[in-house]
Order: sequence, then structure tokens, then C-alpha cells
Amino acid sequence: DTEVTQTPKHLVMGMTNKKSLKCEQHMGHRAMYWYKQKAKKPPELMFVYSYEKLSINESVPSRFSPECPNSSLLNLHLHALQPEDSALYLCASSHLGHGDATNEKLFFGSGTQLSVL
Amino acid sequence: DQQVKQNSPSLSVQEGRISILNCDYTNSMFDYFLWYKKYPAEGPTFLISISSIKDKNEDGRFTVFLNKSAKHLSLHIVPSQPGDSAVYFCAASAGGSQGNLIFGKGTKLSVKP
Repeated sequence: DTEVTQTPKHLVMGMTNKKSLKCEQHMGHRAMYWYKQKAKKPPELMFVYSYEKLSINESVPSRFSPECPNSSLLNLHLHALQPEDSALYLCASSHLGHGDATNEKLFFGSGTQLSVL
Repeated sequence: DQQVKQNSPSLSVQEGRISILNCDYTNSMFDYFLWYKKYPAEGPTFLISISSIKDKNEDGRFTVFLNKSAKHLSLHIVPSQPGDSAVYFCAASAGGSQGNLIFGKGTKLSVKP
């Protein structure tokens, strides 16, 4: 199994709603990531989890709250989003190791296309 | 300031010919480079990578060349096939950055039959 599965594929929410994005992988990867991609822009890193602990937060607003319940699951909780948060949210995973550049090879899910009205 | 630049937003190539996608970077700390392919409504898919200790890596129809002195890399696809039509992202990372890939803006490749 070399897949990263993201649900839902599409989400429309109002600015007062609370919703969650889910991501799952069964490749034994101990690093998981959230990326955000706006139209015609490159993916931008939001969060990195290493061994289920948050290791990188790229100054993301608190209306985005990540959670890693176990080594296979990664959630992104959304609350009070703004219309400019509309984007494709990509989850990815990779191996963890020391001094091995191949750890940078990320496996991406298909993304959740989020629209905030 | 963009650290990874793909200056051609699009490229059109005839089936069977060579596709050359270019990427430039500014950060001399980058030591690992990757190419990802992305179809509409799908996540990026890893294609090929190269470490900074090499200048060429080949995998089937795909070859990546790295010119460290010029801070330039390129992806060659030969022969190009219609199924190669997608957006290609160049990405780079610095040692120990653990997944903090810096992506270029992408080049949309169209391979015409």
C-alpha cells in the first residue's frame, strides 16, 4: 500500500463552521505533513509531524489546528476560516531517518479542495 | 523571494520528441532535488530525484541533470507521450529540513499526438 488517503475530496464551509480534514497512510511513515496549495501556486508547507509530535509550524494561523492521533492518521481541524483560506489542502508522508536525503521523498494524497464562503 | 524558479509556465511538445523542463534555484544549501508530476484534481506524484553529489540520474524515459555551479537542473523526458501531459513541479530541500520542500511554481507540459 503506497497510498495516502484524504477525506473529504471536496468541502464547502461557511466562516462560522467547524470542520475537519482527515489523512491516513499505512506505509509505516513516521513523518506526516500538511501543505496548502492555491491555484497556480506551488504547494506551501503548513505543519510537520515527526513521531506523532508537531515539529514544524510554519506560522500558520490558529484557525488551523493539526492533530496526529497515531502514526497512521493526521487531521486538520478548521474553525472560523476566511474566504482567502480556500485552497487545495494536501497531506503527505515520508520516512524519518538521519542523514538520508531520500527521507525528503514525500508521498502526497489527492488533496481536499476547500471552499470557504 | 522565490528560492526555486520554474520560469516557463507552460511547454508544448510533439509526441515522440524530447521534453525539457528547467528549474533554477538560489539557495546554495539545497542538497536534494525532486521532480513531481501533478494531474488535475490529484496530489503531486514523485517522479525522480537527484542528490547534489550527482550530476545525472536516469529512470526509464526520465533523466534529471544537475549543474551545481549554475544552480540549475533540468528534467528530460524522451520520448514524450500524451500521458505525460501534466504540471511538473521542481522541489528542493536543504539537509535536515525534513520534508520542508520548497516548490517551484510548476510548468504545464502538453504533449500533442
